[in-house]
Amino acid sequence: DAGVTQSPTHLIKTRGQHVTLRCSPISGHKSVSWYQQVLGQGPQFIFQYYEKEERGRGNFPDRFSARQFPNYSSELNVNALLLGDSALYLCASRRRGQETQYFGPGTRLLVL
Amino acid sequence: DQQVKQNSPSLSVQEGRISILNCDYTNSMFDYFLWYKKYPAEGPTFLISISSIKDKNEDGRFTVFLNKSAKHLSLHIVPSQPGDSAVYFCAAVKEDSNYQLIWGAGTKLIIKP
Repeated sequence: DAGVTQSPTHLIKTRGQHVTLRCSPISGHKSVSWYQQVLGQGPQFIFQYYEKEERGRGNFPDRFSARQFPNYSSELNVNALLLGDSALYLCASRRRGQETQYFGPGTRLLVL
Repeated sequence: DQQVKQNSPSLSVQEGRISILNCDYTNSMFDYFLWYKKYPAEGPTFLISISSIKDKNEDGRFTVFLNKSAKHLSLHIVPSQPGDSAVYFCAAVKEDSNYQLIWGAGTKLIIKP
């Protein structure tokens, strides 16, 4: 079975621009979560979606938004990019009722 | 307020010996604890988890021990292999927060040949 996939793998943007990151979960997993990881720190929770509904939101500004589609894939959108948004963005999927989340390879975003 | 802490930024261990990675937490309401391994430029890979109602879980070379009274868990890797060199993250979840992962800062494990 295919694992969690994310696209693109790398992205370079300038301040003020907008970015969309994409994620496809493992087949059968209906929950998708997004995390941001900056160098030297553990990942920070951004959003969780289950059955197309937002089930949790971390301490991130409104410039960050997400959605989940009927096929359970998900998009993370970030508007008005700041230099501090440069990070590895991770997507994870989980089967309902199980604690284990499985991660994709991440999207490395660099904001110049 | 950091709820999950990994106080050792790095650990160096001889190949073949035991690696012990430590993690402390402050919230006694966590339901599960998980360990992930991460190589540079890759996503975290799940290794092993433990329920808060257990004190030990084993999977091959990996064993996790949970000491609830001390709010401490540890991951033992025996024997350590060169491919184990990576950053190891401890994470915790509560079922009533939709299994949102709360992460430590990670420990870089270096296995010396």
